Amino acid sequence: DQQVKQNSPSLSVQEGRISILNCDYTNSMFDYFLWYKKYPAEGPTFLISISSIKDKNEDGRFTVFLNKSAKHLSLHIVPSQPGDSAVYFCAASTMHTDKLIFGTGTRLQVFP
Amino acid sequence: GAVVSQHPSRVICKSGTSVKIECRSLDFQATTMFWYRQFPKQSLMLMATSNEGSKATYEQGVEKDKFLINHASLTLSTLTVTSAHPEDSSFYICSLVVADRGTNEQFFGPGTRLTVL
Repeated sequence: DQQVKQNSPSLSVQEGRISILNCDYTNSMFDYFLWYKKYPAEGPTFLISISSIKDKNEDGRFTVFLNKSAKHLSLHIVPSQPGDSAVYFCAASTMHTDKLIFGTGTRLQVFP
Repeated sequence: GAVVSQHPSRVICKSGTSVKIECRSLDFQATTMFWYRQFPKQSLMLMATSNEGSKATYEQGVEKDKFLINHASLTLSTLTVTSAHPEDSSFYICSLVVADRGTNEQFFGPGTRLTVL
């Protein structure tokens, strides 16, 4: 049972435009969400997170939105840059445990 | 953030041999480290939680006798794949949570590519 889902396996965006990556979850106990960026043959790199007490968190070009009623979160990257091309994973956890449940990933390609 | 190293970065072995992968925290102490496995084009799957000074906690479906975890110190955890078989070929990644940060942010190592012939 996939508790965290990223239904779009890939996304292609032109440089300068907005990239929107989506993530859905099924477990209502999740209260902390994270986005990671991963290049091939490397470990994931933390991007941004959000707790369930918020509905938005912004860090530079990256903004994460959380819709608890819909059990949905999204990562917005604006403006998108070619260096953003990577696989993006969303992950979820509960605050009383350190365990992360990862989504299946979305491969983002930003073209000039 | 924390710097996490893994060694080796890549290993090729014959079927039936054992392989040890090291995960080190270079600048923080970590009472808890995690081991993940990623198959091609799939998600990162948590294998086990490594606890310093105690036995590891394995996720459902992960054989504890096959994947031996030793958290010898606050900066080192090892994963030994015993009697490796081709189906164990995968990308193994460790991570840690920095104590007292109040977040669930995990810092990941660069991963180890295991190929079993």
